Amino acid sequence: DAKTTQPPSMDCAEGRAANLPCNHSTISGNEYVYWYRQIHSQGPQYIIHGLKNNETNEMASLIITEDRKSSTLILPHATLRDTAVYYCIVRVRHQISSGSARQLTFGSGTQLTVLP
Amino acid sequence: DADVTQTPRNRITKTGKRIMLECSQTKGHDRMYWYRQDPGLGLRLIYYSFDVKDINKGEISDGYSVSRQAQAKFSLSLESAIPNQTALYFCATSDLPGGSVRYTFGSGTRLTVV
Repeated sequence: DAKTTQPPSMDCAEGRAANLPCNHSTISGNEYVYWYRQIHSQGPQYIIHGLKNNETNEMASLIITEDRKSSTLILPHATLRDTAVYYCIVRVRHQISSGSARQLTFGSGTQLTVLP
Repeated sequence: DADVTQTPRNRITKTGKRIMLECSQTKGHDRMYWYRQDPGLGLRLIYYSFDVKDINKGEISDGYSVSRQAQAKFSLSLESAIPNQTALYFCATSDLPGGSVRYTFGSGTRLTVV
C-alpha cells in the first residue's frame, strides 16, 4: 500500500473550516484514500473515503487532486468535539480471500486541535 | 448498545498470567480484527479473521493467540503476559460497501502488565 505523509499537528478555530492535508505520491490506480479519526483513546472512527472524485458526506468533504498524489480532508465548521488524531490511509480495494490480504495500516496521523 | 463491544475496558495483570480480551459485535460482519496501540504510535494489526474458520496472523502476532467462537465473537489471548504487552487494544469489524473497506472499532481495552 502507498505510504502517506501528514503533518503531525494542526490548530483550527472553532467554527472555521479545518483543512487536513495528506500526501500519497506513490498511490496506485486501484488504491482508495480513507480518512479515519481517533478521539482521545477511543476507537478510530471512519470519516470518508474516495478513489478519484471528490466526496462529501455528513461529516466531511474529501478533495483528491487530479493526479491523485495528495488529498485534503475538510471539516467545514469545526467544533471542539472534532479535536482528534486524523489518519489518512491508502490501500487497495478489498481482497476477496484472506490469503494475500493487506489490512488498514494506521500511521501517526495529524493531531487536530480545535481552539475555542 | 455499541456495535462492537470489548471487555474488559481496563485490566491490570501480573507478568506471566494468562489473560483473555473479548470482543463481540452486532454488525453482522464476517471480518474481525485485533489491533494494539502504543503511545505515540499508530495501530498495529495482531490477528484478523475473515470468517469463523479463517484466522490469520497480522504484523505482531508473537505472544498472542485468538479464537473465533462465532461470527459475532473474536477473543484475543495473552498466554503469558509480559510488560511490553502493556497497550491499548482495539477490536474491529469490517464490511465491503461498494468494494471499499469500512472498519468499525470497539472502544478499546487498556491493558497494563506489571
